[in-house]
Amino acid sequence: AQKVTQAQTEISVVEKEDVTLDCVYETRDTTYYLFWYKQPPSGELVFLIRRNSFDEQNEISGRYSWNFQKSTSSFNFTITASQVVDSAVYFCALRESARQLTFGSGTQLTVLP
Amino acid sequence: GAGVSQSPRYKVAKRGQDVALRCDPISGHVSLFWYQQALGQGPEFLTYFQNEAQLDKSGLPSDRFFAERPEGSVSTLKIQRTQQEDSAVYLCASSSTGTGRNEQFFGPGTRLTVL
Repeated sequence: AQKVTQAQTEISVVEKEDVTLDCVYETRDTTYYLFWYKQPPSGELVFLIRRNSFDEQNEISGRYSWNFQKSTSSFNFTITASQVVDSAVYFCALRESARQLTFGSGTQLTVLP
Repeated sequence: GAGVSQSPRYKVAKRGQDVALRCDPISGHVSLFWYQQALGQGPEFLTYFQNEAQLDKSGLPSDRFFAERPEGSVSTLKIQRTQQEDSAVYLCASSSTGTGRNEQFFGPGTRLTVL
């Protein structure tokens, strides 16, 4: 069965520090998709990125970057030069052949001024 | 354009009452999902619709939970005889196609508190 593990429950950093959020997944499928979502205090899940299992290229979008490694079943998320507005809960999610998402338990990121 | 909307945003129910939660997906989106998010946890899948067809309801926790999407647009999640363990945020998401490739767009959720 599919599973997503986010071992870091809470992380606290000072503004402008870099921070990496870890995500490890388990799946038996060869075709799958990985996602990261942000959930600010307002509660709405905001889509950040989607990767498919055949594309291991790392991706950078502004201050955000993602490192996908199939060899270690990891899909880690790095925020460079963090800002207070980055404070939120971040979820990693997996989709296999079924269409629904399987989420990790989330990482609460607090960026202090 | 408008995103996914849900109503009510907050609902307080006495144990044993029935509740109905509404989801308005993004216009034209084929797929609609319901998730349940307990405090401090990630969302967990409840059920999935493709147009008006409910293709997967494997995540519904009991037969007290019922969902419908009769015209392939608005969806309602109904919980009968609510219990305290039903207290959670109920999230609705929609996706533009019926494939697994596209991202799901989430609504703000309905926070249900059962007293």
